[in-house]
Amino acid sequence: EDQVTQSPEALRLQEGESSSLNCSYTVSGLRGLFWYRQDPGKGPEFLFTLYSAGEEKEKERLKATLTKKESFLHITAPKPEDSATYLCAVQVYNQGGKLIFGQGTELSVKP
Amino acid sequence: EADIYQTPRYLVIGTGKKITLECSQTMGHDKMYWYQQDPGMELHLIHYSYGVNSTEKGDLSSESTVSRIRTEHFPLTLESARPSHTSQYLCASSDNYGYTFGSGTRLTVV
Repeated sequence: EDQVTQSPEALRLQEGESSSLNCSYTVSGLRGLFWYRQDPGKGPEFLFTLYSAGEEKEKERLKATLTKKESFLHITAPKPEDSATYLCAVQVYNQGGKLIFGQGTELSVKP
Repeated sequence: EADIYQTPRYLVIGTGKKITLECSQTMGHDKMYWYQQDPGMELHLIHYSYGVNSTEKGDLSSESTVSRIRTEHFPLTLESARPSHTSQYLCASSDNYGYTFGSGTRLTVV
């Protein structure tokens, strides 16, 4: 069964304190791995798509990496406005483009 | 700037009422989806569509139904709302590059 697990469930950081979020996956055939940011009461906002092991993508203070079993979202020198829930999702071959989501990591950055 | 629109944003309704959650997108995407999300939980796919007149049930069992008469419109209907239907409903559309989500409808059934 295709599965996505994110850790930790919640993460509290001080402003400027760098850290990483983990997304482990077990799937039959990975087509792509997606990272989203979700603010309270809103829909997920697209951050990155990764397609193959070794791939990396960056956007401002965020960097996403991918291996054959997991992905990391690295947050460098976070600011309070980075506080949100970060969602990881995988897209599997032969399942029509559906996304399978993890439960998310709730990030809180204090000034 | 939102390219996918959901209405209403919030809805409180009594048990037994029929409701329709609206979702429209302006990107011309063929694929559209409805996800259900409870607080602190992962998104679960309840319905999807590959194009006009195409609808399929998702991985999570749902008493709702959907229709796709036009490419841009993918409404979700509950014939008789129950308290167990209380949740956030998220609509999305996709092309070959990724998904775009709406802001969601927070439904409360009392």
